[in-house]
Amino acid sequence: AQSVTQLDSHVSVSEGTPVLLRCNYSSSYSPSLFWYVQHPNKGLQLLLKYTSAATLVKGINGFEAEFKKSETSFHLTKPSAHMSDAAEYFCVVSLTGTASKLTFGTGTRLQVTL
Amino acid sequence: NAGVTQTPKFRVLKTGQSMTLLCAQDMNHEYMYWYRQDPGMGLRLIHYSVGEGTTAKGEVPDGYNVSRLKKQNFLLGLESAAPSQTSVYFCASRNRGMDGYTFGSGTRLTVV
Repeated sequence: AQSVTQLDSHVSVSEGTPVLLRCNYSSSYSPSLFWYVQHPNKGLQLLLKYTSAATLVKGINGFEAEFKKSETSFHLTKPSAHMSDAAEYFCVVSLTGTASKLTFGTGTRLQVTL
Repeated sequence: NAGVTQTPKFRVLKTGQSMTLLCAQDMNHEYMYWYRQDPGMGLRLIHYSVGEGTTAKGEVPDGYNVSRLKKQNFLLGLESAAPSQTSVYFCASRNRGMDGYTFGSGTRLTVV
């Protein structure tokens, strides 16, 4: 079984300040982990993914995430928030294997203020 | 542009009506998925398919049926719509051995 917990349903930051979106996972085997972003009334866009290579993963738009097996965490960070980063972010886990179904967290809504 | 196309984008149904949502992908992907998105619950898997002619149940399959008669198409059917099926539906596809999923832009369904 696998599950994902996003620790904050809503995060608010000022433009230019760092972003931290927290994600813990549970998986019986070595998982693949993803962060997706969804802008209002849009589909889902892949930000980055971890698939057992380097533990620090760099994604698009300046985002990165670090896989920490000992803490079962995969937190998403960005050094400096931009207004365009305001969106909903989903942490997702997948097991390698047939079908590799995705299990989504409940999402974190990021608000960026001036 | 290559990708996943969902039709329709919006639909309003009356309770008890039926409808079919179409997902089409032109990337020759083996696997296809239907998810529903509800506020505060993330996306939940309804049904999925690992190849033409095969389907399987996901986390929330009740009230839905699917078919994959052609590799590029994955249909989601509601035989008798209920207000609890008001949601945004996303289709996704991926190829065997790949990690990346491609999502469609979603179908917003309201059942009144």
